[in-house]
Amino acid sequence: DAKTTQPNSMESNEEEPVHLPCNHSTISGTDYIHWYRQLPSQGPEYVIHGLTSNVNNRMASLAIAEDRKSSTLILHRATLRDAAVYYCILRRDTGNQFYFGTGTSLTVIP
Amino acid sequence: EAGVAQSPRYKIIEKRQSVAFWCNPISGHATLYWYQQILGQGPKLLIQFQNNGVVDDSQLPKDRFSAERLKGVDSTLKIQPAKLEDSAVYLCASSKGQGRSYEQYFGPGTRLTVT
Repeated sequence: DAKTTQPNSMESNEEEPVHLPCNHSTISGTDYIHWYRQLPSQGPEYVIHGLTSNVNNRMASLAIAEDRKSSTLILHRATLRDAAVYYCILRRDTGNQFYFGTGTSLTVIP
Repeated sequence: EAGVAQSPRYKIIEKRQSVAFWCNPISGHATLYWYQQILGQGPKLLIQFQNNGVVDDSQLPKDRFSAERLKGVDSTLKIQPAKLEDSAVYLCASSKGQGRSYEQYFGPGTRLTVT
């Protein structure tokens, strides 16, 4: 399995930016980096994914290090609705496992 | 666009009983996944279908778990007989394809309690 390392928990003040880090030192050249989040009592929700270049969408931005061994999910203005567990996942074709790990539990403080 | 539907949402059974979960993926999605999520852990993939064929079932406890996806649309996951350690949320997800750039769409899950 392609493993990732994330902090267990983080806190952020409402309306401030949040940077959620992820280390993936064993990433291979063709692995995609996916981020999902899971709100309480709901199924995971896709946030963003990328391969090499930084990516932006309506939910967040994904900054990928030049060596691809780490990435950062950026929430530009945290809201209370962003309180969730955020999972960083490497997706590869070989083996095909979508390994979630334990993720980072984000608390947003009003 | 309708999301992934799952039923039932909650189920309580006694150990050694049988239980079945149903999933209807997003229309047109060829790939369907079943995950098991134990409290405090991330989801664990149990089985992946591509249309009506199994792509990966390496983590499915085949002595008690079975799954099928007849006609390549709906899917059913069954546990027979259930054990206490099967208490978990069972999540169904679908995606347009199985490639590494496709995102998965998850249903709300079925919370199973085995007593």
